[in-house]
Amino acid sequence: QVHLQESGPGLVKPWETLSLTCTVSNASMRSQYWSWFRQPAGKGLEWLGRIYSTGNTNYNASIKSRVVMSVDKSKNQFSLELRSVIAADTAVYYCARGVFWSAGVHFDNWGQGILVIVSS
Amino acid sequence: DIHLTQSPSFLSASVGDRVTITCRASQDISKYLAWYQQRPGKAPKLLIYGASTLQNGVPSRFSGSGSETEFTLTIGGLQPEDFATYYCQQFNSYPLFGGGTKVEIK
Repeated sequence: QVHLQESGPGLVKPWETLSLTCTVSNASMRSQYWSWFRQPAGKGLEWLGRIYSTGNTNYNASIKSRVVMSVDKSKNQFSLELRSVIAADTAVYYCARGVFWSAGVHFDNWGQGILVIVSS
Repeated sequence: DIHLTQSPSFLSASVGDRVTITCRASQDISKYLAWYQQRPGKAPKLLIYGASTLQNGVPSRFSGSGSETEFTLTIGGLQPEDFATYYCQQFNSYPLFGGGTKVEIK
């Protein structure tokens, strides 16, 4: 059973950098597609970006100027950095594995989520 | 950008009811649609992909249909554990979700 687990600080000060890591178990990161999502309390899901095992990335245009994703295949981990956070970045952050189906992508395995609060 | 509109946003139903949720896309997305269930405090769980293919391990009371711009998720006989929020998701240039449908106990 593939398992994903988010880790990182639960509290970040405004204008600082949010840093999260997702550790993947029971699956190879090679030839796979890995994504980050977030969900503010009581709201819907927002895709933040994706990184391939090659290190190639694509980001949501709404945060593209503030985000960096990276992958460390040797540790079976991938990471999210979101700079200059504000209160509106407060949310539960999820990592997930993307699976290609024909020309589409869906997400078959998710981490449990980690609440990140932006506050001084 | 392609947008997804789910309806209804909220529905109240009883155990054993048959429930249908609709997801409409603003443009033709062929069959590139997935459905997820999210229970309170939990991560989303993939139910269906390719509009109608049931993910491994998902009960057969869940079914999906549709193509192009109109899609449905049907739960044939609600069980207590099915009371949750359901999201559709499409992939065009990037993954995008519908606004969600919350299914509550009547």
